Amino acid sequence: EADIYQTPRYLVIGTGKKITLECSQTMGHDKMYWYQQDPGMELHLIHYSYGVNSTEKGDLSSESTVSRIRTEHFPLTLESARPSHTSQYLCASRGTQHNEQFFGPGTRLTVL
Amino acid sequence: GENVEQHPSTLSVQEGDSAVIKCTYSDSASNYFPWYKQELGKRPQLIIDIRSNVGEKKDQRIAVTLNKTAKHFSLHITETQPEDSAVYFCAASQGGSNYKLTFGKGTLLTVNP
Repeated sequence: EADIYQTPRYLVIGTGKKITLECSQTMGHDKMYWYQQDPGMELHLIHYSYGVNSTEKGDLSSESTVSRIRTEHFPLTLESARPSHTSQYLCASRGTQHNEQFFGPGTRLTVL
Repeated sequence: GENVEQHPSTLSVQEGDSAVIKCTYSDSASNYFPWYKQELGKRPQLIIDIRSNVGEKKDQRIAVTLNKTAKHFSLHITETQPEDSAVYFCAASQGGSNYKLTFGKGTLLTVNP
């Protein structure tokens, strides 16, 4: 079934650790996005990509980085996690033919 | 860039009543306006969208209206039910090469039985 997958769904780590949040989509979409959201609160765009080898920073300053080596894969990396990074991270994708943007289930990150 | 304002931030209604959520946008080039519903612990899901060449769109109990001149659009939910309780987000984006959605800050809708 075409969908967006995120792993892990939940992650608890210590300060200073390097982590990578995985996002894959089988929708055939070229555009992908990462949002940071505290539960039920505003969606903050932190990174986006319009295709392979294309990445841009979003509206919210973030200490994370992303890569887009394959169309279906858009991982987000935190080099050194801090308690301020505790939040939910939502991946999304969008095609060209239709404007609808689909969201993944999210990764809930807690940094101790 | 685009700026989207959403009101109210919280809305409480009785089951069966109507609910209206309003959004304004700043960029006259925006031409696509989706609404997302996010239930507690779930991902946001598209419930209805409208393009700038249409003034109103309806899907069962949900409708969206767009006023391009005033740069505002609204979500209308009629005959509300407890399962409508969620956070609702409006958004706006341009067409062409700009595919970023700019979201409003969300409205927490509570439908009381």
